[in-house]
Amino acid sequence: QVQLVQSGAEVKKPGSSVRVSCKASGGTFTTSTVTWVRQAPGQALEWMGRIIPVLGIPNYAQKFQGRVTITADKSTSAAYMELSSLTSEDTAVYYCTRGSGTYSGIWGQGTLVTVSS
Amino acid sequence: QSALTQPPSASGSPGQSVTISCTGTSSDVGGYNYVSWYQQHPGKAPKVMIYDVTKRPSGVPDRFSGSKSGNTASLTVSGLQAEDEADYFCCSYAGNNNYVFGTGTKVTVL
Repeated sequence: QVQLVQSGAEVKKPGSSVRVSCKASGGTFTTSTVTWVRQAPGQALEWMGRIIPVLGIPNYAQKFQGRVTITADKSTSAAYMELSSLTSEDTAVYYCTRGSGTYSGIWGQGTLVTVSS
Repeated sequence: QSALTQPPSASGSPGQSVTISCTGTSSDVGGYNYVSWYQQHPGKAPKVMIYDVTKRPSGVPDRFSGSKSGNTASLTVSGLQAEDEADYFCCSYAGNNNYVFGTGTKVTVL
């Protein structure tokens, strides 16, 4: 059973960047889609973007274009999400997910990113 | 891309049914048969309950069912149980390799 293990919680200053990692344990990404979703405290889920590791081509939500970079290393079954120019509104739990393309079947445990001066 | 619209809350007694709506536009919900539904308990990661409008992943009880009419998708939970109390989010493909989530619905089992 594949599990996704994410990196630990981060505290960042406004204006800085954060990089969250996601590693597949017990399996690989193969031809799956890796999607990043975030959830601000008490708020709804928000789709940020995705990548198909075997192709290496990312797609981003318009809201995050120019500020987010999603990459994947298929040799290590790891994916990364980097978000720059952080503000307090980026304080959220960030999830990586693995799916077949039209849905996210496996979710990581989430990574809390807190942006505070 | 605007979030899909869901009612903030829904409730039902044990054994009853509850239906949650998810309203979008012809550019997302109405344009594709790629609506999924996620259940999230407090402090936990979401779990997929329905995908591609009506399909149920292995292990999800058949009490959960999905449908779609026009620009509105729906999730029905039949035979409500205490463990069904959670937040539910819909998600739809929105074209151009993008997806959009719903605003979320808190389901309470009375």
